[in-house]
Amino acid sequence: EVQLVESGGDLVQPGGSLRLSCAASGFTFSTYKMHWVRQAPGKGLEWIAYIYITGTVIHYADAVKGRFTISRDNAKNSLYLQMNSLRVEDTAVYYCVRETVCDFDFWGQGTLVTVSS
Amino acid sequence: QSALTQPRSVSGSPGQSVTISCTGTSSDVGGYNYVSWYQQHPGQAPKLIISEVNKRPSGVPDRFSGSKFGNAASLTISGLQAEDEGDYFCCSYAGSDRLYVFGTGTIVTVL
Repeated sequence: EVQLVESGGDLVQPGGSLRLSCAASGFTFSTYKMHWVRQAPGKGLEWIAYIYITGTVIHYADAVKGRFTISRDNAKNSLYLQMNSLRVEDTAVYYCVRETVCDFDFWGQGTLVTVSS
Repeated sequence: QSALTQPRSVSGSPGQSVTISCTGTSSDVGGYNYVSWYQQHPGQAPKLIISEVNKRPSGVPDRFSGSKFGNAASLTISGLQAEDEGDYFCCSYAGSDRLYVFGTGTIVTVL
């Protein structure tokens, strides 16, 4: 069974940092492109970061470029999101998502990041 | 990175059909056959129900169907059922700069 389990969400002050992790199981993690997608409370979905299977190609949404860093460890079947210089508007549930043919076929349950003073 | 435009809400009685539109531009919806649709129930993660404009993943009922014409895509739910209530989001590949853009989301209500 495919599973994606996020962790690391927390309450953090504006300007702070947080590192999210996603543990993958039930599939060959090293052969899939991966993404982070977020959803602010009561709002829609927002794609924020992508990483190729080898980690050699990375893309970010403009809203997080320069502040967030996506990475992966295929040996540990894990995806990460390092978030720096956090803003109130970064408050959201962050989902770890697997990509197939330009779609997102499996989602984790999400981890909540709250940025507030 | 502007979101794709969806109606805020649609509703229908059990057994009826509803259609949700998803309007973009030639740089996203109109430029690629990579439109997908997601269903989200309260407190749950989104679930893929349509990929590549009109393909249904295994296990998705055939009352869900997708289409695209020009810069707009559509999701039709035929034979509406109570469990179809929820939020629906479209998503399109948008090229190597923007990568992916989601729709604004549509609330489906079964009357």
